Amino acid sequence: DIQMTQSPSSLSASVGDRVTITCQASQDISNYLNWYQQKPGKAPKLLIYDASNLETGVPSRFSGSGSGTDFTFTISSLQPEDIATYYCQQYDNLPDTFGQGTKLEIK
Amino acid sequence: QVQLVQSGAEVKKPGSSVKVSCKASGGTFSSYTISWVRQAPGQGLEWMGRIIPILGIANYAQKFQGRVTITADKSTSTAYMELSSLRSEDTAVYYCARDLGGGAPAPFDYWGQGTLVTVSS
Repeated sequence: DIQMTQSPSSLSASVGDRVTITCQASQDISNYLNWYQQKPGKAPKLLIYDASNLETGVPSRFSGSGSGTDFTFTISSLQPEDIATYYCQQYDNLPDTFGQGTKLEIK
Repeated sequence: QVQLVQSGAEVKKPGSSVKVSCKASGGTFSSYTISWVRQAPGQGLEWMGRIIPILGIANYAQKFQGRVTITADKSTSTAYMELSSLRSEDTAVYYCARDLGGGAPAPFDYWGQGTLVTVSS
């Protein structure tokens, strides 16, 4: 199975801050990498697919980059409604695997 | 719009089985792939397996092989996940999720609301 190492596991930032989360795959996954947002008690929501494509309806402050084994997720200006846990997911090879998650809090 | 509606919460005894349903609406079910992803309390996301209804093919994570069965009924646009030999560690929220890859890599763009399965004696 492909291992996804996501960091940090938690992050505290202020409204308006630029926030960055990284995800590293244990082998080359090309650009088969998604980012999801999960709020407490809710299902995950797709934000970024194929490493850098913004899902329809998702605010443009969210972005993703990377290919191969190293990926980055960025919120350009943190908003209060962005408080959530964020997960990366590789879907190059079955089984799909997720990073451990990054819990984002407001400072 | 596309919706995936899952069956309600379940409480099960260790050693028993549970079957969770996921009914799709607002799209063409035969073009979907439905995956099942679970989340133990306070933990991350874990992919269990998937079904491609139009092909009648299911794939399972090695961890669950032999214990999980994923099926689909095209006539009712419903997917099912049955997990047997339940143990306390199977206590989790179980989600269904859709992709449009037809077996090729594709993101999960719609998710069900989740079904809490509690395994307790």
